[in-house]
Amino acid sequence: GNSVTQMEGPVTLSEEAFLTINCTYTATGYPSLFWYVQYPGEGLQLLLKATKADDKGSNKGFEATYRKETTSFHLEKGSVQVSDSAVYFCALSDGAGSYQLTFGKGTKLSVIP
Amino acid sequence: DGGITQSPKYLFRKEGQNVTLSCEQNLNHDAMYWYRQDPGQGLRLIYYSQIVNDFQKGDIAEGYSVSREKKESFPLTVTSAQKNPTAFYLCASSIRTTGSYNEQFFGPGTRLTVL
Repeated sequence: GNSVTQMEGPVTLSEEAFLTINCTYTATGYPSLFWYVQYPGEGLQLLLKATKADDKGSNKGFEATYRKETTSFHLEKGSVQVSDSAVYFCALSDGAGSYQLTFGKGTKLSVIP
Repeated sequence: DGGITQSPKYLFRKEGQNVTLSCEQNLNHDAMYWYRQDPGQGLRLIYYSQIVNDFQKGDIAEGYSVSREKKESFPLTVTSAQKNPTAFYLCASSIRTTGSYNEQFFGPGTRLTVL
């Protein structure tokens, strides 16, 4: 079956530090990959996506590249802000006709001034 | 504005009672989903529906029931058979596609607490 593995948190960084959250996956077919963000007490918002190998998704200074050879989709940001404090979820949608998303367990990020 | 609404935001119920969580979308999406989120865990799929009057069980359907009588509505009932119902419940919807791309849009969630 499909699975997504994220680095365990929580992650605490100082403002303007570099962020990497690792994500690796196992899937059948040719999955699409997503990063979702959840701010405290809210639902999930799509942060970025990549639908095929070597695609780079980007949004709000965050980036992730779909690496098929390493089955990875690591999230990066060059300079984090306090407002980036949230829980980040990596997810995949496989190409087998399923409409389901498979999520990682989430990584909580706290950015301190 | 298009989006997904869930109500109520907070819900309390006594043990042994059934409770229904509302989810409405005006995005004209065919597919809708219910997830459960527990502290420190990812989202787990309860039920999903690809089209009106049809739905399928997800990974943790036991103790839950759903209906899909209208395209825009997908209510979830947490029954007394659900052994540990206290959790954060998220509803989502997506365009129904035949490809792999399946961006889901989420509602703000309902936090259910069983007293």
